[in-house]
Amino acid sequence: EAGVTQFPSHSVIEKGQTVTLRCDPISGHDNLYWYRRVMGKEIKFLLHFVKESKQDESGMPNNRFLAERTGGTYSTLKVQPAELEDSGVYFCASSQDPTWGYTFGSGTRLTVV
Amino acid sequence: AQSVTQPDIHITVSEGASLELRCNYSYGATPYLFWYVQSPGQGLQLLLKYFSGDTLVQGIKGFEAEFKRSQSSFNLRKPSVHWSDAAEYFCAVGAHPNFGNEKLTFGTGTRLTIIP
Repeated sequence: EAGVTQFPSHSVIEKGQTVTLRCDPISGHDNLYWYRRVMGKEIKFLLHFVKESKQDESGMPNNRFLAERTGGTYSTLKVQPAELEDSGVYFCASSQDPTWGYTFGSGTRLTVV
Repeated sequence: AQSVTQPDIHITVSEGASLELRCNYSYGATPYLFWYVQSPGQGLQLLLKYFSGDTLVQGIKGFEAEFKRSQSSFNLRKPSVHWSDAAEYFCAVGAHPNFGNEKLTFGTGTRLTIIP
C-alpha cells in the first residue's frame, strides 16, 4: 500500500508569508495526526483528526495555524502569517487502528527567513 | 503529564558492536511505548511497539526493546549494528488508544553514528 505522502518536502518562505502543507494519509485511515519538530527539540503533537472532525487540537501553537481535512481524506495545514519560530519539520501520520501503531510521512521541512 | 527522556543525544559505535539506546518515560497509567527511526531524507519508521504482554518486544531490522515498569524504561537494543543503522532514533509514549487520547509524546532523539 502507498504510505503517507507529504508535500512539499521543503519550503522556504519569508516571514509574513503564507504556506500550506499537505498530507495524504494511507487510503482508508480515518485517523490523521500532525506533529512538528523544531530544530534540535522533540517532536510535538499538533492535532488529531478522525475523518473530517478535529478530535484533539490541544497542540496547535496559536491561531496562525489552521488545519483542515475536508471530506475526511487529505489534510492541509496552513500557517498565516509565518513567523521565524515556525521553522521546523512538520510530520503527518495516519492510522486505521492506533493499537497497530501510526504510519508517518517523510515530513515537510519549513524554513521561514 | 507524560514525558520521555532520551539521555544520549549522540552515540557512536563501531560496526558489528552491540547497541543500547536508553529511554525513560513518565506516565501515570499503563503506557503505550514506541521506538521510531528516521534515516536521512526519510520519514519516521516504526521499529517496534509495546502496550501489553511479553515485556521483551522484537521489532524490525533485528532490534528489540525491553519494558521495565519498575525503572520506567524502554531501552532499545541490537546485538550487532550495521552501517545502515546510522540514523536518529526516537522513543515515544502514549495512552492506550482505548482511553481516547492518542497523541504521542516523543523524546528529543538519539543520533547514532556507525564507524567502520
